[in-house]
Amino acid sequence: VTLLEQNPRWRLVPRGQAVNLRCILKNSQYPWMSWYQQDLQKQLQWLFTLRSPGDKEVKSLPGADYLATRVTDTELRLQVANMSQGRTLYCTCRTGTGINYAEQFFGPGTRLTVL
Amino acid sequence: GEKVEQHESTLSVREGDSAVINCTYTDTASSYFPWYKQEAGKSLHFVIDIRSNVDRKQSQRLIVLLDKKAKRFSLHITATQPEDSAIYFCAASVYGSSGNKLIFGIGTLLSVKP
Repeated sequence: VTLLEQNPRWRLVPRGQAVNLRCILKNSQYPWMSWYQQDLQKQLQWLFTLRSPGDKEVKSLPGADYLATRVTDTELRLQVANMSQGRTLYCTCRTGTGINYAEQFFGPGTRLTVL
Repeated sequence: GEKVEQHESTLSVREGDSAVINCTYTDTASSYFPWYKQEAGKSLHFVIDIRSNVDRKQSQRLIVLLDKKAKRFSLHITATQPEDSAIYFCAASVYGSSGNKLIFGIGTLLSVKP
């Protein structure tokens, strides 16, 4: 059973251009949604966790600037700007947080390549 | 900041042998430790986890050990098969202002040779 859909699955991004990613949650029992990035060396790094519609956060990391938005209970978005190196962005979901923290599921990922 | 160190970057074993991957963590408040498998060109797939209230967990051919005193945990894959070949990531949960996040190790590329 697929819990998460991500689109696009891959994208060629001209240097200096921003790209918008979407993640759709297929099961509302896993409402805690997050974004993780995986760089070209396979290193994984947490970016954001957004629980409620309307939540919004920004972050700048080496190689890219991010803006994440929880649009609805089932949709999470990520804008990637000023990307200088390719990476893969994964959307994740889980049932709870704190002591209720449990198994976290990863979406199929969106692979971004800089032109 | 919080760190997870994964001690083996590559590991090669013969089919049928056991493989062991070791990780250490720095945040004493970490209480949840999952392991993920990533096959070439694919996403991460959850394989097993352990919570800090136990020191051993087994699921079929997978065994996870946790030593809270040493802040160390390990994944043991017994009777390895060629399809076990993949990158394995260990992780530790860290609680912050945004709730829990996972801190990952660098990954271990496991090769199981027939």
